[in-house]
Amino acid sequence: DQQVKQNSPSLSVQEGRISILNCDYTNSMFDYFLWYKKYPAEGPTFLISISSIKDKNEDGRFTVFLNKSAKHLSLHIVPSQPGDSAVYFCAASKGQDDMRFGAGTRLTVKP
Amino acid sequence: DGGITQSPKYLFRKEGQNVTLSCEQNLNHDAMYWYRQDPGQGLRLIYYSQIVNDFQKGDIAEGYSVSREKKESFPLTVTSAQKNPTAFYLCASSIGTHYNEQFFGPGTRLTVL
Repeated sequence: DQQVKQNSPSLSVQEGRISILNCDYTNSMFDYFLWYKKYPAEGPTFLISISSIKDKNEDGRFTVFLNKSAKHLSLHIVPSQPGDSAVYFCAASKGQDDMRFGAGTRLTVKP
Repeated sequence: DGGITQSPKYLFRKEGQNVTLSCEQNLNHDAMYWYRQDPGQGLRLIYYSQIVNDFQKGDIAEGYSVSREKKESFPLTVTSAQKNPTAFYLCASSIGTHYNEQFFGPGTRLTVL
């Protein structure tokens, strides 16, 4: 039962352009959403989060958008840099329950 | 230097042997977690602990066991009952379980031969 889905396994963008990573969820009770970045053979690192009372959260080059009616969130990276090349996981949780992760999207930023 | 350590980074075991993966954190976090990552899949929760001497099963707890005798330590034992133990195992911790990001260790890649 995959409650958090990242339907694009990979994405390739040119340096300086915008990267948009998408995530869909099925459980309307989720109230906290996060994005993690992961390099090979390392643990994920937290990138940015958003609670369900907001529809946008911005941190430098990273912005997360939440569309509750569509059960969809997206991560925008502007401008994209080669160092952003990694696997990005979205995650969602509700209350005290455990966090659910998507399968990840591999972003490649070409110089 | 606060963080989470997992050891070893690579681990090889023969089929039928139990193996224990170490996870230590010095962040003073109450909650700790174990995840498993397989190729093309997200992180799946094995066990989590919200407080010392207490833990709950995640989605895929069968064939695994944990203990939480100390706040900073949450070892995971992969038993011979786990049918497909070869995977990348990640340990994480958080201040609490709600509205808090999790901090991850570097992971242990377990290969069962």
